[in-house]
Amino acid sequence: AQSVTQLDSHVSVSEGTPVLLRCNYSSSYSPSLFWYVQHPNKGLQLLLKYTSAATLVKGINGFEAEFKKSETSFHLTKPSAHMSDAAEYFCVVSPRSYNTDKLIFGTGTRLQVFP
Amino acid sequence: DTGVSQNPRHKITKRGQNVTFRCDPISEHNRLYWYRQTLGQGPEFLTYFQNEAQLEKSRLLSDRFSAERPKGSFSTLEIQRTEQGDSAMYLCASSLRDTGPSYNEQFFGPGTRLTVL
Repeated sequence: AQSVTQLDSHVSVSEGTPVLLRCNYSSSYSPSLFWYVQHPNKGLQLLLKYTSAATLVKGINGFEAEFKKSETSFHLTKPSAHMSDAAEYFCVVSPRSYNTDKLIFGTGTRLQVFP
Repeated sequence: DTGVSQNPRHKITKRGQNVTFRCDPISEHNRLYWYRQTLGQGPEFLTYFQNEAQLEKSRLLSDRFSAERPKGSFSTLEIQRTEQGDSAMYLCASSLRDTGPSYNEQFFGPGTRLTVL
């Protein structure tokens, strides 16, 4: 079975400081992993994805994530937070199986950015 | 706008009533998904279609829920005899069945927020 665990329900940072949102996954298959962002009253937006190519994945808005198989982790980072980064972030796993590509979401991490 | 659209955006209903939501996917996408998101949780998979075929249903999808995609384009999700526990955001997503770089990139609509009184 596949699952993801987001280790922090809330993260607070000051504008201009680094962001780290932690995610561990469990998967029987070689998974696809994603990070989605959800701003208030807006739809989910794909930030980045890992699909077994490069282990360091770059996404939109300066975010990146590193796939570490030995640690079963896929943490999201950004060198310098911006006020507009305040949102809910979801780590997501999907089995790379022909029969299903449903997304399995974590419980989310709310990122607050203080001026 | 060529993104995923959902209607209505908000629905308030009384317990026991039936409701129907509509999702229009991105036009060239052949896969369509429904998810449900309750307050403070991540979205949970309900069901998905490839073209008009419903290929997988979650155990969350009780007998009161039914989804259709009759012509492989838009989809409807109906909830019969609504219960207060059905109150949630219902999200629709679409993707293009592809084994290349776009594999399983799902694009989400804004959702329909259901409140059951």
